[in-house]
Amino acid sequence: DGGITQSPKYLFRKEGQNVTLSCEQNLNHDAMYWYRQDPGQGLRLIYYSQIVNDFQKGDIAEGYSVSREKKESFPLTVTSAQKNPTAFYLCASSSAGTGTYEQYFGPGTRLTVT
Amino acid sequence: QQQVKQSPQSLIVQKGGISIINCAYENTAFDYFPWYQQFPGKGPALLIAIRPDVSEKKEGRFTISFNKSAKQFSLHIMDSQPGDSATYFCAAISDSNYQLIWGAGTKLIIKP
Repeated sequence: DGGITQSPKYLFRKEGQNVTLSCEQNLNHDAMYWYRQDPGQGLRLIYYSQIVNDFQKGDIAEGYSVSREKKESFPLTVTSAQKNPTAFYLCASSSAGTGTYEQYFGPGTRLTVT
Repeated sequence: QQQVKQSPQSLIVQKGGISIINCAYENTAFDYFPWYQQFPGKGPALLIAIRPDVSEKKEGRFTISFNKSAKQFSLHIMDSQPGDSATYFCAAISDSNYQLIWGAGTKLIIKP
């Protein structure tokens, strides 16, 4: 089965702790993305990567970090510097070729920090 | 200039009715306009998309109408069903980068 997996589905952490969210894809896509979604709101881009070992900040990168050591994997670390980390986090991937813009999304990770 | 404005924020439609969601953009470099459907607790999934060289695209009960001169596009759901109840997002992207610009979303409820 081809697709994107995110784990875990639910994650609970204490304030002040860093936490890493997993995202893996077997679609052979070059580009990967992390979004944050708050209740009743749209998607905001945190980071994206168009190629291995390269990534760019999105609109709300502060307090987050990523790595792209393998084409299949794009983990997101929510650091203690992120002021309001409780949210629904979505990972997506797409082909990087011109004209192929569809982004495929994983099932999401709901992070709760108390 | 990078924004995509989506309306309404929420919409209630009777079963069998037509649901209409509107989006407007400013950046004339946008050349691909997808609509995504998201069910609660799930990731969004592509529903239908259009390029600016056509004014309408239909897939089953879902139609995108595109007005290039007005820089507006809309999603029409014909014969709306309770299973269509979801949040719908419009988006836009240009060929020069891979960053989708998202609308704020419309929560659609279809009443039986």
